Amino acid sequence: DSGVTQTPKHLITATGQRVTLRCSPRSGDLSVYWYQQSLDQGLQFLIHYYNGEERAKGNILERFSAQQFPDLHSELNLSSLELGDSALYFCASSGNAGDEQYFGPGTRLTVT
Amino acid sequence: GQQLNQSPQSMFIQEGEDVSMNCTSSSIFNTWLWYKQDPGEGPVLLIALYKAGELTSNGRLTAQFGTTRKDSFLNISASIPSDVGIYFCAGQAGLRGAQKLVFGQGTRLTINP
Repeated sequence: DSGVTQTPKHLITATGQRVTLRCSPRSGDLSVYWYQQSLDQGLQFLIHYYNGEERAKGNILERFSAQQFPDLHSELNLSSLELGDSALYFCASSGNAGDEQYFGPGTRLTVT
Repeated sequence: GQQLNQSPQSMFIQEGEDVSMNCTSSSIFNTWLWYKQDPGEGPVLLIALYKAGELTSNGRLTAQFGTTRKDSFLNISASIPSDVGIYFCAGQAGLRGAQKLVFGQGTRLTINP
């Protein structure tokens, strides 16, 4: 158990809908990272937050957004969902930006 | 953008054999990390490397940070059935405070008992 929690574990929704994925980092970790893992594309970095501020962006679509709250939990919002958004979404946390990242169990999103 | 080439893509070995896999990059990384992922689970950190030339062990696993800072290697000795899974290398670069991990494509390890 990495200490990172993610909810929900599974999510099934229809195209065009909007969903919110939630992540709670390990106790004391200030950094939260979001990744997308598709079958054919491996792990792709989406976005990094440190203590509530956005620090780095990867290949995150404009339909996706994230935020980190004062209690350090983070949410990833996915809107106008398309079939191709079906994937595993992971968050990871680290104590400081640049430290080892510990991954949560992931949320499996299925868009039908 | 930065890319990592991880090889081999898959390995089929007998229990008890040693395993070697590696990652190469087109650019320099400050940190190399090795993860293992089981189906439907999140990646689990195995080894972290912070200095060029560094050699670090974790049980039967040994990893090295290449001297050019553009490659890393992972070895598993005397493989056992629970070693089955996908192994990912990841490189970290950029300014402190704004770093991101770049992942290799993974090495899928299958062990025949």
